[in-house]
Amino acid sequence: AQSVTQLDSQVPVFEEAPVELRCNYSSSVSVYLFWYVQYPNQGLQLLLKYLSGSTLVKGINGFEAEFNKSQTSFHLRKPSVHISDTAEYFCAVRWMNRDDKIIFGKGTRLHILP
Amino acid sequence: ETGVTQSPTHLIKTRGQQVTLRCSSQSGHNTVSWYQQALGQGPQFIFQYYREEENGRGNFPPRFSGLQFPNYSSELNVNALELDDSALYLCASSPANGQGQGYTFGSGTRLTVV
Repeated sequence: AQSVTQLDSQVPVFEEAPVELRCNYSSSVSVYLFWYVQYPNQGLQLLLKYLSGSTLVKGINGFEAEFNKSQTSFHLRKPSVHISDTAEYFCAVRWMNRDDKIIFGKGTRLHILP
Repeated sequence: ETGVTQSPTHLIKTRGQQVTLRCSSQSGHNTVSWYQQALGQGPQFIFQYYREEENGRGNFPPRFSGLQFPNYSSELNVNALELDDSALYLCASSPANGQGQGYTFGSGTRLTVV
């Protein structure tokens, strides 16, 4: 079955420290990969996406993610976080041999410590 | 360009009632997807509409139904509301051939069933 796993439900990190949010997915076929951010009481905003080509993808707000096909992972990273990065982050996958739906992970809450 | 607009933003209903949620897709987008996001969870795919027809459905009972109109706006209807239907309902739109574009999300409708 298709699944997206975000290994950490919550990640606390000090301001200006680096952070990595982990995402793994089940797959035997090609995929499109996305990271979305959700601020309190808001909808989802696209941070970045991987479609093809370079495995290192850069997004908005200084975030980047690396696609690793052999490990079926798409971890999100930021070298220095800011208090404004406090939010819920969702990894999402679209399998190319299926209908158009995007499947989301359960989310990781990024908690920035002062 | 306008984004995805959902109405109402908040709604309180009584168990057993029926509810209709509305979504206007982003300009140029003709595919609409609906998601349910329970508190502390990732969005769960309900169904998708393309050219006024259902184009994929998640694991939701038939009392969850939808419509898409010629202007690509959409409605989500839920009959016989249950307490567990309390959630944030997200609408997302995408272009028909935009498999790699990800979705543009609205801010959601917060439904509370009492």
